[in-house]
Amino acid sequence: GQQLNQSPQSMFIQEGEDVSMNCTSSSIFNTWLWYKQDPGEGPVLLIALYKAGELTSNGRLTAQFGITRKDSFLNISASIPSDVGIYFCAGRRTGTYKYIFGTGTRLKVLA
Amino acid sequence: DAGVIQSPRHEVTEMGQEVTLRCKPISGHDYLFWYRQTMMRGLELLIYFNNNVPIDDSGMPEDRFSAKMPNASFSTLKIQPSEPRDSAVYFCASGLAGGPGEQFFGPGTRLTVL
Repeated sequence: GQQLNQSPQSMFIQEGEDVSMNCTSSSIFNTWLWYKQDPGEGPVLLIALYKAGELTSNGRLTAQFGITRKDSFLNISASIPSDVGIYFCAGRRTGTYKYIFGTGTRLKVLA
Repeated sequence: DAGVIQSPRHEVTEMGQEVTLRCKPISGHDYLFWYRQTMMRGLELLIYFNNNVPIDDSGMPEDRFSAKMPNASFSTLKIQPSEPRDSAVYFCASGLAGGPGEQFFGPGTRLTVL
């Protein structure tokens, strides 16, 4: 099935550092979701975006809906060990309830 | 509030056997989705329902897979006969049509077909 391009695929960072990841699509979306998945668990919704240019925060996490509507960005500030996991983006086009998921960014935080 | 509930959490079976995965969506949600996750293919949508009616089953791999939603609080995904390549984690998610469009995932069922 179709997947969104997510980068980077994986990253190692030091505790306390900021993290940035992004998701790009060839299609225009009207909704972007960002999820985090821990080992052995289902994806947990972090942030939802509904409007081009929108910037939304959830604690240390901030996500943006790209103005072209073909991309989205997630930033994590001052990373901590529990930020370890896989982060997924998901996009949805107008008129459908079907989401397309990104390939995931695996984050590892070094204490 | 209870989230999406899936059972079993783990299933090990032999090739050729029938497998049934179960899902209870969040109460009041009218969309239900079945996904499959593998290392090779990532998270794939298999089928989704709206008000218990299948809307899009284009992701169902083949006729061995079938899904039903007999009522608003229960859905099943059945594989018959199962094959080793069906080994994956299967997730159920639910959402609300009149809401902002978010989907909430269950904990998943890890299926191993020997």
